[in-house]
Amino acid sequence: DGGITQSPKYLFRKEGQNVTLSCEQNLNHDAMYWYRQDPGQGLRLIYYSQIVNDFQKGDIAEGYSVSREKKESFPLTVTSAQKNPTAFYLCASSPRTGNTEAFFGQGTRLTVV
Amino acid sequence: DAKTTQPPSMDCAEGRAANLPCNHSTISGNEYVYWYRQIHSQGPQYIIHGLKNNETNEMASLIITEDRKSSTLILPHATLRDTAVYYCVLHAGNNRKLIWGLGTSLAVNP
Repeated sequence: DGGITQSPKYLFRKEGQNVTLSCEQNLNHDAMYWYRQDPGQGLRLIYYSQIVNDFQKGDIAEGYSVSREKKESFPLTVTSAQKNPTAFYLCASSPRTGNTEAFFGQGTRLTVV
Repeated sequence: DAKTTQPPSMDCAEGRAANLPCNHSTISGNEYVYWYRQIHSQGPQYIIHGLKNNETNEMASLIITEDRKSSTLILPHATLRDTAVYYCVLHAGNNRKLIWGLGTSLAVNP
């Protein structure tokens, strides 16, 4: 089935460690996005990529890094520089052009202790 | 960037229509209105979108006012499974950034 897959669903890390969240899609979408969601809040954009080997910072990129070496993959690294990394992270993809909806993964809940 | 304003919570009786409002008074002429919903601890699910005409699909109807400053999502026969947070989102131009508000938490009651 076509879709977007995030793994793992739950992730625990010690403070000061970098951690990488996986996002894979087989929808042949050019654009991919990473959002962060805190309790009771809407989604905030971390990074987005409209094409392979290119990505742009979103509204809250500090303390995060991404890569886009393959069309189907857009991993997010939460670095030790991120002051409040505990959150729900959502990955999405969409066609680069045209007005169509974004497809979301099921999210990764990261807890840093 | 344009913002959206939604009531924080609403209730609806099962089987009745749920009408969820959204204000977007600073919307730009090329911005679409999208609606998504999010069931607890899952990824958002697309519902419907429109530019200025009313739209209907198998899930819902979208009514956009003539001045495009507000819209209403209508779930015609709400079920318990429609209990979720509903987000009214503006599509901000070619870069595909989606501007998310705080959403409306809809509780469908038996």
